[in-house]
This record gives sequence, C-alpha cells and structure tokens, in this order.
Amino acid sequence: AQKVTQAQTEISVVEKEDVTLDCVYETRDTTYYLFWYKQPPSGELVFLIRRNSFDEQNEISGRYSWNFQKSTSSFNFTITASQVVDSAVYFCALSEAGNTGKLIFGQGTTLQVKP
Amino acid sequence: ETGVTQSPTHLIKTRGQQVTLRCSSQSGHNTVSWYQQALGQGPQFIFQYYREEENGRGNFPPRFSGLQFPNYSSELNVNALELDDSALYLCASSLSRWGDSPLHFGNGTRLTVT
Repeated sequence: AQKVTQAQTEISVVEKEDVTLDCVYETRDTTYYLFWYKQPPSGELVFLIRRNSFDEQNEISGRYSWNFQKSTSSFNFTITASQVVDSAVYFCALSEAGNTGKLIFGQGTTLQVKP
Repeated sequence: ETGVTQSPTHLIKTRGQQVTLRCSSQSGHNTVSWYQQALGQGPQFIFQYYREEENGRGNFPPRFSGLQFPNYSSELNVNALELDDSALYLCASSLSRWGDSPLHFGNGTRLTVT
C-alpha cells in the first residue's frame, strides 16, 4: 500500500538556521513520483518540486535542496538560512505512474521560523 | 496565466443539507482533482475528472459527487451533509491525469457543517 510518513509534526527554528524536513514513503511500484508542497496560512498548496523514481540526483533551488534516497525510501527537504517567510505547513506526497494521478499526502510538518 | 480559482471561500451549512463547490482550472489544464483536508491533516483524494468523466475515486461515499464541464471547470457536490464533512476542500488542476504532472491547487473552500 502507498503511504507517506512525515514524523516531524512541528519544528521551530530561529531565522538563519538550517532545517531539514523528513519524508519517508512506501510503495510497491517501481515507477512513481514524489512531490513537496508548501501550505501557507492562506490555504493554497504551492508546488515546490517533483522527482521521479528513476532520478536520484539531488536538487538545489536557491535556499531549498532535496535529498532523494531510494535505498531508504526517503525524500528529505532542507531549507538553508531559513527566513520568517518560510513559516508554513510542508507536505510530502507520492503518486504512482499510470494511476489516476491521485496524490498520497503525509500528515505535514509545521515549520515556524522565529525572527 | 490564470490560476485555479474556487468559490465560495467559506460556507456554513446545516447537517443534512446539500452543498455545491465550484472550481475553475488553470488555463490549459484538462484534469481536475478534488481533495478534502481536515484540520491538522494532509489532503485526502476524493476524485479526479478527465474529459468530463470520473477517472478515479478515493474512499468517499457516493454522496460525494462531481462534474467536469467542457471548459474543464468542475463542481463538487456533497449530499446529506454530516458534521465530519467540515473541512477545507481543495481543487487542483493538472496537465496530465497520470500522476506525473504537478497539481496546481486553488485556495480552497472552508466548509463548516453545524
């Protein structure tokens, strides 16, 4: 069965600290996609990144970086030099190729960045 | 480029009533999905529509139904509302129905059932 686990419910850091959000997934498929979304207080889910199961290359986008490791079924997200505007709920999600496009979301991690 | 828009923003209904939520998809997107997000939880997949037909459904009872129109806009209908239906309802559109394309979400409709 598909499952996404975000074990960290809440994280609080001080501005400029680095922070890593953990994501562990379960799937029986060999072809799948992993996503990270940000949900600010306004409620809209903002797409951050997509990774397919055949691409284990880590990715960096500005202060954001993602570490995908199939061996441990993890897709972790690191924010470097955090800022107050990074405060939000972050969701990791999984979809299986050839399926309906259904996303399985984790429970989310609430990140609070204090000034 | 117009993003995903949902209406209304907030809604209060009484148990047993019926509700219709509306969604306009992002320009060029032919697939629409609906998700329910209870407070403090991750979104749960309700169903997906592609070319006006339901293309997949999550674990929701038949009183949750939907429509997709030729212009790819969509409606979510919920009959016989229950207190547990209180949640944020999110609409998302995408370029592909196969799970490989990112979903683009609207701001959601906050439904409260009393």
